[in-house]
Amino acid sequence: EDQVTQSPEALRLQEGESSSLNCSYTVSGLRGLFWYRQDPGKGPEFLFTLYSAGEEKEKERLKATLTKKESFLHITAPKPEDSATYLCAVRTIQGAQKLVFGQGTRLTINP
Amino acid sequence: DSGVTQTPKHLITATGQRVTLRCSPRSGDLSVYWYQQSLDQGLQFLIQYYNGEERAKGNILERFSAQQFPDLHSELNLSSLELGDSALYFCASSNSRDPYGYTFGSGTRLTVV
Repeated sequence: EDQVTQSPEALRLQEGESSSLNCSYTVSGLRGLFWYRQDPGKGPEFLFTLYSAGEEKEKERLKATLTKKESFLHITAPKPEDSATYLCAVRTIQGAQKLVFGQGTRLTINP
Repeated sequence: DSGVTQTPKHLITATGQRVTLRCSPRSGDLSVYWYQQSLDQGLQFLIQYYNGEERAKGNILERFSAQQFPDLHSELNLSSLELGDSALYFCASSNSRDPYGYTFGSGTRLTVV
């Protein structure tokens, strides 16, 4: 069964304090790993797609990386507006278009 | 605005009742997905429709059903509601050439009392 595990469950940082969120996955055949941002009471908002090990994507203070077993979302010099829940999801060969989500990491950036 | 429209935004109903949630996908998207998000379960895939036909099923209860109409909008029907059905229900849409996964709507918050 395809599984996605995110850690930590929650993370509090001071503004400007860089850190990384982890997403480890066990899948039958990866067809893409996705990162989303979700604000309270809203739908997930797409951030990145990664397809193969070694791939990296960047957007403002965020950088996503992918290995054969896990992905990291690095956040550099975060600001309070980066506070949100970050979700990782995988699309697999057998899962067609379905995405399997992790539980998310709730990130809080204190000013 | 993501382009995926869900109505209503909030719904409060009693146990045993039936409700219908509506989703209009992004223009040009043929696939619609329904997800349930509760505090302890995260985002759980329920069902996918593609151009009017059921394509994939997840952990959808027998009390729940969905359909996609010729104009591509979709409805999720929840019946014999229980307290545990209280959750956020999200609709998402995509097309086959879309490398970006899904585009999600803003969700319907269902509260069963």
